[in-house]
Amino acid sequence: QITLKESGPTLVKPTQTLTLTCTFSGFSLSTSGVGVGWIRQPPGKALEWLALIYWDDDKRYSPSLKSRLTITKDTSKNQVVLTMTNMDPVDTATYYCAHIRDGAAFDIWGQGTMVTVSS
Amino acid sequence: DIQMTQSPSSLSASVGDRVTITCQASQDISNYLNWYQQKPGKAPKLLIYDASNLETGVPSRFSGSGSGTDFTFTISSLQPEDIATYYCQQYDNLPRYTFGQGTRLEIK
Repeated sequence: QITLKESGPTLVKPTQTLTLTCTFSGFSLSTSGVGVGWIRQPPGKALEWLALIYWDDDKRYSPSLKSRLTITKDTSKNQVVLTMTNMDPVDTATYYCAHIRDGAAFDIWGQGTMVTVSS
Repeated sequence: DIQMTQSPSSLSASVGDRVTITCQASQDISNYLNWYQQKPGKAPKLLIYDASNLETGVPSRFSGSGSGTDFTFTISSLQPEDIATYYCQQYDNLPRYTFGQGTRLEIK
């Protein structure tokens, strides 16, 4: 059974860097074809894909946020870490990590973690 | 970037009704289209992948169709537990992923 869980701060100040960790079980990020992505959702708004990392360390980013995002993996800890620099109140959202199947569909999601950006 | 236009943005229907949601891509995406259901306060759930394939465990009243730029998601007989927001999501070969703006489905 695949599970994922996000962790990180609930409140960050404007201009700070956000670091979120996705801890997963039920699969290995060293297995060919496996990937984990990050998606966010501002309150009352739509989903937005942020970043994705594959078993071979291939990384993909949303073009609109690429300059602010870094995604890394720690295979031994079954974790994926997303950092987002220069946080702004518009980045207030629930941040989800998700397992991606065949590079196409986010088939298993974490419960999400709400991050508020405020001074 | 590929844009996804989902409609309607909200929909009110009665139990037992047939419900249809559409998603239009700004360019040909073949069948690279998925549909998700999100209930309030919960994470999205994958229902349909590759435009028309039902995810394991998802009731057969849910279906999807389309290819190219025009896609349709259908609930054949609306049930009370189907109240949720539905999203389409496309993926391209870069890969990049784009979600539609969502359709909020309510019971009339």
